[in-house]
Amino acid sequence: DAMVIQNPRYQVTQFGKPVTLSCSQTLNHNVMYWYQQKSSQAPKLLFHYYDKDFNNEADTPDNFQSRRPNTSFCFLDIRSPGLGDAAMYLCATSRGGVSPLHFGNGTRLTVT
Amino acid sequence: GENVEQHPSTLSVQEGDSAVIKCTYSDSASNYFPWYKQELGKGPQLIIDIRSNVGEKKDQRIAVTLNKTAKHFSLHITETQPEDSAVYFCAASDPNTGKLIFGQGTTLQVKP
Repeated sequence: DAMVIQNPRYQVTQFGKPVTLSCSQTLNHNVMYWYQQKSSQAPKLLFHYYDKDFNNEADTPDNFQSRRPNTSFCFLDIRSPGLGDAAMYLCATSRGGVSPLHFGNGTRLTVT
Repeated sequence: GENVEQHPSTLSVQEGDSAVIKCTYSDSASNYFPWYKQELGKGPQLIIDIRSNVGEKKDQRIAVTLNKTAKHFSLHITETQPEDSAVYFCAASDPNTGKLIFGQGTTLQVKP
């Protein structure tokens, strides 16, 4: 089935130790998004790629970076995780324009 | 920019009863309104959506109504079942950016 796959499902990292989360999609969608979600709050958009064009949200900390090497894959890099970065990280895709988002099942990040 | 308010934050119903979740939005130019269901440990999944050119849409036990004049839209779930228990998010598309703006979420509990 076409879908959005996130790996790993659970990630534990130490304070200040860089971590990378990955996302892949088989939907061939143009747009890939990264959201941060804390304790049943609404997902908060960090950034998105429209094809190769990177779009950062104004309030996304510099600590968060992203890479999209090809249509299918997108990575979230957290350069120096702090305790406040512990959250669920959701990847989503869409065709672009006003269209539905398709979410993966997320990666739960714990910072020790 | 667009702002979305969602009520109630929690809702508890008896199995078989109906559940209604309401959202209001601020920008009258918004034209797309999806609803997402998020089960514990999973990503949000689209359950129904509506565009501004229709007032109601139904899919089996789920329906969404849109009142453009009042700028509000509602999710209606009939004959609720325990598996309907989840967090539900409404969203509206920001007409300037196309991004989805989420409501704060409603935790629905269906008691057997």
